[in-house]
Amino acid sequence: AQSVTQPDIHITVSEGASLELRCNYSYGATPYLFWYVQSPGQGLQLLLKYFSGDTLVQGIKGFEAEFKRSQSSFNLRKPSVHWSDAAEYFCAEGWGKLQFGAGTQVVVTP
Amino acid sequence: DAGVTQSPTHLIKTRGQQVTLRCSPKSGHDTVSWYQQALGQGPQFIFQYYEEEERQRGNFPDRFSGHQFPNYSSELNVNALLLGDSALYLCASSRWSSANYGYTFGSGTRLTVV
Repeated sequence: AQSVTQPDIHITVSEGASLELRCNYSYGATPYLFWYVQSPGQGLQLLLKYFSGDTLVQGIKGFEAEFKRSQSSFNLRKPSVHWSDAAEYFCAEGWGKLQFGAGTQVVVTP
Repeated sequence: DAGVTQSPTHLIKTRGQQVTLRCSPKSGHDTVSWYQQALGQGPQFIFQYYEEEERQRGNFPDRFSGHQFPNYSSELNVNALLLGDSALYLCASSRWSSANYGYTFGSGTRLTVV
């Protein structure tokens, strides 16, 4: 069965520092991969997606992600975080029916 | 342009009761999917509707049922509520012809079963 793993439950980062969130998937063919962000009490907002082509994907809010087939990974990065980036981040995979990871809670300290 | 609208935003029900949640998709979208997000977990796919038919279903019991109307809006019904059904229920809309080019999620309905 397909699965998505986010190894880090919780990450604390200083404002202005870089951020990397890990995501691993288990799917044999070329996966359809997504990163979503969820603020408290809110729905999910799509940050970026990968279907094919260039393995470095640019998204909104200054985020990017890199697809590495050899490592079955799709890690999310941001060079310099802002306090407003504090939220929960979900990696997802699928076509029509999305399989989500358990999420990574990001805390931003001053 | 309105996004996905869900109602109600919050709901408290008693164990054994039935509940109906509603979703209006984003303008131009014709496909609606429902997800259950328990506290501290990622969303779990319940089912997807297109052309008023259930197209895909996740691993949820028959107590969970749905409907899609001709105007593409959708309802999620849950019968015989259990305490474990307490969760945030998210609706996502998309276009069937390009299902993964954009799922737009609503803010969800927070269901509490007591």
